[in-house]
Amino acid sequence: GAGVSQSPSNKVTEKGKDVELRCDPISGHTALYWYRQSLGQGLEFLIYFQGNSAPDKSGLPSDRFSAERTGGSVSTLTIQRTQQEDSAVYLCASSLGTVGQPQHFGDGTRLSIL
Amino acid sequence: GQQVMQIPQYQHVQEGEDFTTYCNSSTTLSNIQWYKQRPGGHPVFLIQLVKSGEVKKQKRLTFQFGEAKKNSSLHITATQTTDVGTYFCAGITGANNLFFGTGTRLTVIP
Repeated sequence: GAGVSQSPSNKVTEKGKDVELRCDPISGHTALYWYRQSLGQGLEFLIYFQGNSAPDKSGLPSDRFSAERTGGSVSTLTIQRTQQEDSAVYLCASSLGTVGQPQHFGDGTRLSIL
Repeated sequence: GQQVMQIPQYQHVQEGEDFTTYCNSSTTLSNIQWYKQRPGGHPVFLIQLVKSGEVKKQKRLTFQFGEAKKNSSLHITATQTTDVGTYFCAGITGANNLFFGTGTRLTVIP
């Protein structure tokens, strides 16, 4: 597609449930990033995929968070046993190559945990 | 650890006034990027600076990269209401790690 696509755009779920967030990057972009942004706050890095290399998971806040990227394209961020503090906007970005390339962001998924 | 700080955190200006946000890194950067996030939107890439002392302009926006490649600034001349949003810098280290700054939220009062 023309840009980074994320789904769903909004997700409301009960505490303790698992959620899956999807990111479809720009075609041909080898790098993919996930960030979390709480209301009025900055970007919190979660995970970075680059080609076929092992992902940089250093930003994942707990073992309830995991992400995968299948076939070097679509990525799924999974949050297990959601907690209220997980409520935030989850942003995905992709770029052409290494970290130094400009990132193109999707519109994000707004996650609300009741 | 690596940190990229921005000041101020918030800035309110009258339309027509100038605005500057500053980005400071604890370590030397290989390059720096700037992004703008409109309220309710996602960050959008504005520009990248690579060279020590580099200055780039985009209409009313002027971007500078410090001589030591540890700081950067974004200056907007004669702000307009369309400039409203949060401006983030993103520093890239020699080890190819990227760190987003804390952001400066700009409000322009018409």
